[in-house]
Amino acid sequence: NAGVTQTPKFQVLKTGQSMTLQCAQDMNHNSMYWYRQDPGMGLRLIYYSASEGTTDKGEVPNGYNVSRLNKREFSLRLESAAPSQTSVYFCASSETGRNYGYTFGSGTRLTVV
Amino acid sequence: SQQGEEDPQALSIQEGENATMNCSYKTSINNLQWYRQNSGRGLVHLILIRSNEREKHSGRLRVTLDTSKKSSSLLITASRAADTASYFCATVPGMDSSYKLIFGSGTRLLVRP
Repeated sequence: NAGVTQTPKFQVLKTGQSMTLQCAQDMNHNSMYWYRQDPGMGLRLIYYSASEGTTDKGEVPNGYNVSRLNKREFSLRLESAAPSQTSVYFCASSETGRNYGYTFGSGTRLTVV
Repeated sequence: SQQGEEDPQALSIQEGENATMNCSYKTSINNLQWYRQNSGRGLVHLILIRSNEREKHSGRLRVTLDTSKKSSSLLITASRAADTASYFCATVPGMDSSYKLIFGSGTRLLVRP
């Protein structure tokens, strides 16, 4: 099915470990996003990429890095995981322009112990 | 910081009743969008209303927008048990040159059979 694919779906890390969350979309969208969702707080934007080759910080970028590998793929890296990064991470993509909705992946549930 | 705030935070209704959720936001917007999230899943785009529109319909969904009050409402008519989910409003700020969405904290809707 067309859409946004995130891997892995679940991950447990120890404090200080690193990992990369993968995201790929097959809708030929230019823009891609990473959000985190914490209980009772909705979604907060971590990083986004308006087009291939560009990335920009969102509301909560500290502790994360991103790579827009090509038009399809946008990865999120945690260099040294902290318990505060325990969250559900969502990747999304959209057409370029303001009047388009986002297509979301099913999420990665990350626990840092 | 979040742009949108949904009200109520939780809503429980009987199947067949109508459900109304409200969203207030702080700054001028380009458009406002509503998303649904089933438990443990990603968000699904429901409807987008532009700042120059006042009302929009999609199936059993009706969205209104009042830019003078910086508020929107989502009405689900003849609710079904399958409508049980969290509903989020999200805005594209009018003065922002990017297309990133800012989400509210959501309304949890329970439709009792």
